[in-house]
Amino acid sequence: DIQMTQSPSSLSASVGDRVTITCRASQSISTYLNWYQQKPGKAPKLLIYGASTLQSGVPSSFSGSGSGTDFTLTISSLQPEDFASYYCQQSYSPPRTFGQGTKVEIK
Amino acid sequence: EVQLVESGGGLVKPGGSLRLSCTASGFTFSSYSMIWVRQAPGKGLEWVSSIDGTSGYIFYADSVQGRFTISRDNAKKSLYLQMNSLRAEDTAVYYCAREFSSGWYWVDYWGQGTLVTVSS
Repeated sequence: DIQMTQSPSSLSASVGDRVTITCRASQSISTYLNWYQQKPGKAPKLLIYGASTLQSGVPSSFSGSGSGTDFTLTISSLQPEDFASYYCQQSYSPPRTFGQGTKVEIK
Repeated sequence: EVQLVESGGGLVKPGGSLRLSCTASGFTFSSYSMIWVRQAPGKGLEWVSSIDGTSGYIFYADSVQGRFTISRDNAKKSLYLQMNSLRAEDTAVYYCAREFSSGWYWVDYWGQGTLVTVSS
């Protein structure tokens, strides 16, 4: 199975900050990488698929990059509604494993 | 409107069994792969199992292989997860979800989740 490792596991940031979360795959997955946002008590929401394609309706402050084994999710200017947990997921092959998550908290 | 509604969660003793169900509406159920994802209390997401539209391709996470069985009934627009030999570490909210594919794959709709608690 492909292992996905996110870093950091948590971070504290202020509104307006630029935030970067990284995700590393245990083997090359091309650009088969998704990013999800999850708020407490809610189901996850897709942000980005194909490593860099923004899902419809997602603010342009979110962006994704990377290929092969190393990927990043960037929030260019953190907004109050962006405080949440973020998960990467490889969609290269089943089981389509998730990273362990990154919790973005208010500083 | 796409809706996924899980049921069947509850409290079960270690070694026991439970069957989760998920009823879908608002889309052509048989055209989509469906998955189960779980989330232990305060923990991250764990992909559990997937099944394609014809039940021809089924996959499991190593952590549940041999204990859980995924199935579907397209006529009833329903997805199931039979969970046997349950362990404390299976305690989690279990989400039913739809997998979208277009060359890439992603989860585009999720249910509200059903809580499974394994405890004596």
